[in-house]
Amino acid sequence: EAQVTQNPRYLITVTGKKLTVTCSQNMNHEYMSWYRQDPGLGLRQIYYSMNVEVTDKGDVPEGYKVSRKEKRNFPLILESPSPNQTSLYFCASSLWGGQLSNQPQHFGDGTRLSIL
Amino acid sequence: AQSVTQPDIHITVSEGASLELRCNYSYGATPYLFWYVQSPGQGLQLLLKYFSGDTLVQGIKGFEAEFKRSQSSFNLRKPSVHWSDAAEYFCAVGLTTSGTYKYIFGTGTRLKVLA
Repeated sequence: EAQVTQNPRYLITVTGKKLTVTCSQNMNHEYMSWYRQDPGLGLRQIYYSMNVEVTDKGDVPEGYKVSRKEKRNFPLILESPSPNQTSLYFCASSLWGGQLSNQPQHFGDGTRLSIL
Repeated sequence: AQSVTQPDIHITVSEGASLELRCNYSYGATPYLFWYVQSPGQGLQLLLKYFSGDTLVQGIKGFEAEFKRSQSSFNLRKPSVHWSDAAEYFCAVGLTTSGTYKYIFGTGTRLKVLA
């Protein structure tokens, strides 16, 4: 079954304790992306990657890191989490057809992070 | 700056009534346009998309959307709403800037359906 898998689904942690949210897709998609969803703000793009070893900042990258060492995986790293990073996070992937790609994204089920 | 506006935060309709959700975008060229739906506790599911050609596009679950270039709009419609359509709806654009490809989402419209 084609899917985007995020882990964990829920996490409560404390300020400053490094954490990683994993994302894996089995569709051989080139493009992967992380979003955070906050009430009244919709989804905001954190980072995205157009292929292995190619990553770029989205609209809200501060406090986050990503890596893309393999095509299927795109982990999101919070080196020193703070309470303002409490949010619902989504990973997504899509085919990449070139500069004018028009492929829709496939989303994971989300990870709810609470930073105390 | 590029942006997507969904002016209605909440909409309530009766089951069987028609529905229109509004979406306006700000971008110098015609972007790629999408509508997604998010049910509670779920990820986002694609309803429909527009890239070029016929400005009226059909999607899943009986939804359609019309692209109007002159109004920079991409409104979502459904002739008869079902109770299972209660969810949050997001309009999004895909655009290319400086050789990279980004998505921008609207803030969402939450639909409530009355029995």
